[in-house]
Amino acid sequence: AQRVTQPEKLLSVFKGAPVELKCNYSYSGSPELFWYVQYSRQRLQLLLRHISRESIKGFTADLNKGETSFHLKKPFAQEEDSAMYYCALSGATNKLIFGTGTLLAVQP
Amino acid sequence: DVKVTQSSRYLVKRTGEKVFLECVQDMDHENMFWYRQDPGLGLRLIYFSYDVKMKEKGDIPEGYSVSREKKERFSLILESASTNQTSMYLCASSLRGFLRSGNTIYFGEGSWLTVV
Repeated sequence: AQRVTQPEKLLSVFKGAPVELKCNYSYSGSPELFWYVQYSRQRLQLLLRHISRESIKGFTADLNKGETSFHLKKPFAQEEDSAMYYCALSGATNKLIFGTGTLLAVQP
Repeated sequence: DVKVTQSSRYLVKRTGEKVFLECVQDMDHENMFWYRQDPGLGLRLIYFSYDVKMKEKGDIPEGYSVSREKKERFSLILESASTNQTSMYLCASSLRGFLRSGNTIYFGEGSWLTVV
């Protein structure tokens, strides 16, 4: 079965501190993994996807197939990074399975 | 710019009422989705459609039905609303095969439904 686990409901850090939002997945094949972000009063939008291997707004995420993880990282958090972050997985079907989300709060 | 529009942002309905949530996209996308978003539960897929008049159940279809008569429009129907269907409902659309083609899934702003 496909499953995405985000163990932290809330992550609170100070501005300038490193951030790591955890995501673990369960899937027997080769998954495609994504991070979506929802800022306050805005629609959910794609942040990054693992196949792109890109850095968006200073965030990166590396797929670790051995640990079945896709953690989202940023070396120095900014206040504008405060948002709800969702990890998502797609397997053989043409749909996305989302985790429960982590609320990132960056304190000044 | 892709636009996914949910016509009703806030609704309050009574238990037992039939509720229609409408979603329209303007990018000729084949795929459309309905999710519900609840605190602590994340986004859960209710139904999706990969073509006109085609639909597939998601993870939580009970109590819901959908209609896709035109490519650009995907409706979510609550046949008899109940209080446990109070939630934020998100519509989304994408190209067919979007996951392998570098495209993405686009979301609407959401419809807050309260059932009293």
